[in-house]
Amino acid sequence: EAQVTQNPRYLITVTGKKLTVTCSQNMNHEYMSWYRQDPGLGLRQIYYSMNVEVTDKGDVPEGYKVSRKEKRNFPLILESPSPNQTSLYFCASSSLGAQYEQFFGPGTRLTVL
Amino acid sequence: SQQGEEDPQALSIQEGENATMNCSYKTSINNLQWYRQNSGRGLVHLILIRSNEREKHSGRLRVTLDTSKKSSSLLITASRAADTASYFCATANQAGTALIFGKGTTLSVSS
Repeated sequence: EAQVTQNPRYLITVTGKKLTVTCSQNMNHEYMSWYRQDPGLGLRQIYYSMNVEVTDKGDVPEGYKVSRKEKRNFPLILESPSPNQTSLYFCASSSLGAQYEQFFGPGTRLTVL
Repeated sequence: SQQGEEDPQALSIQEGENATMNCSYKTSINNLQWYRQNSGRGLVHLILIRSNEREKHSGRLRVTLDTSKKSSSLLITASRAADTASYFCATANQAGTALIFGKGTTLSVSS
């Protein structure tokens, strides 16, 4: 089944404790992206990647890192999480040139205490 | 930078009724999409309409696009309780590197 998977689905952590949210897709998509969703603010892009070893900032990249060492994986790294990063995070992927039609993962609900 | 704005923000209807939600956007587009999100879960792609299309159907969904008014509407006919969700329109940003979502319409269908 074609899908985007994220792990963990739920995470409660404390300020400053490094964490990684994994994202993997099995559709051989070149493009991958991370969004966060907050009440009243909608979905905002954090980082995106057009292909392996090619990443770029979205609208709200501060406090996040990403890497794209393999085509299928696009982990989101929070080196020193803070409470304002409490949010619902989505990973998405698409074929290159078809970024208007992205496939979304199930989401990761992160709470930073 | 927000591209789409849905209207209304919330909509409550009875099963069997039709639900209409609207989306306005700011810049020129190649296509527009509608997504559904069940409470706190992932986004599901519903339908894409291209800029040269005026109307598109998919099952109980009907989408219209008016590029002169920079607006789109999503009609769900014969609503069911399972249609209860938030609905978002989305367009690609100018660089084609991100989807820009509106804040969504929350639809509640009661039986």
